[in-house]
Amino acid sequence: SSDLTQDPAVSVALGQTVRITCQGDNLRTYYASWYQQKPGQAPVVVIYGKNNRPSGIPDRFSGSRSGNTASLTITGAQAEDEADYYCNSRDSSGNRRWVFGGGTKLTVL
Amino acid sequence: EVQLVQSGAEVKKPGESLKISCEGFGYSFRNYWIAWVRQMPGKGLEWMGIIYPGDSDTRYSPSFQGQVTISADKSISTAYLQWSSLKASDTAMYYCARLLDYSTWVDVFDIWGQGTMVSVSS
Repeated sequence: SSDLTQDPAVSVALGQTVRITCQGDNLRTYYASWYQQKPGQAPVVVIYGKNNRPSGIPDRFSGSRSGNTASLTITGAQAEDEADYYCNSRDSSGNRRWVFGGGTKLTVL
Repeated sequence: EVQLVQSGAEVKKPGESLKISCEGFGYSFRNYWIAWVRQMPGKGLEWMGIIYPGDSDTRYSPSFQGQVTISADKSISTAYLQWSSLKASDTAMYYCARLLDYSTWVDVFDIWGQGTMVSVSS
């Protein structure tokens, strides 16, 4: 079982805003990072830390944290955002072990 | 360009051994942790373990401890994932990823390999 819990599937209308959440007690201590994975491709980081975007990631992607919940928000979702999204953080042991959430499949309608 | 390049796809039989690789380019390989991540067909990402090539300090997920061995050769900037006796349930895509440590509370797997598909079938 995963220390991090995600909704299996979320949908959003084109151009609308969607929030993907990740819950886990370890998130009270460690920030989550978020990875986008499209079919047949390796994961790509979209958000890490408090709200950091790697170079090349559109600013419609943002991150936040409240208590034991981390969130990835896409403001103005585009068709190309349709993908699986995974959160990741150190596990509850904090001993240089990490865990992924189960993933959320985002459908853009 | 900073990149991780993994070895090619493998087709093996149950009980066979296997070692796949992940070579780093464009950065000081020995100074960054490298993790291995499993993705079974149609399933999510699973964190397997991590190694620091500088001193070979290695940590495993409890789910994978004893099932695989992670190693590294810093002289050739390469990390490895190996099995001594494969099972059909080891069929999966395996990714390596570099860890970027910002602080005690902030880190990210910023660079990923292209993945190595391992198929185990009799």
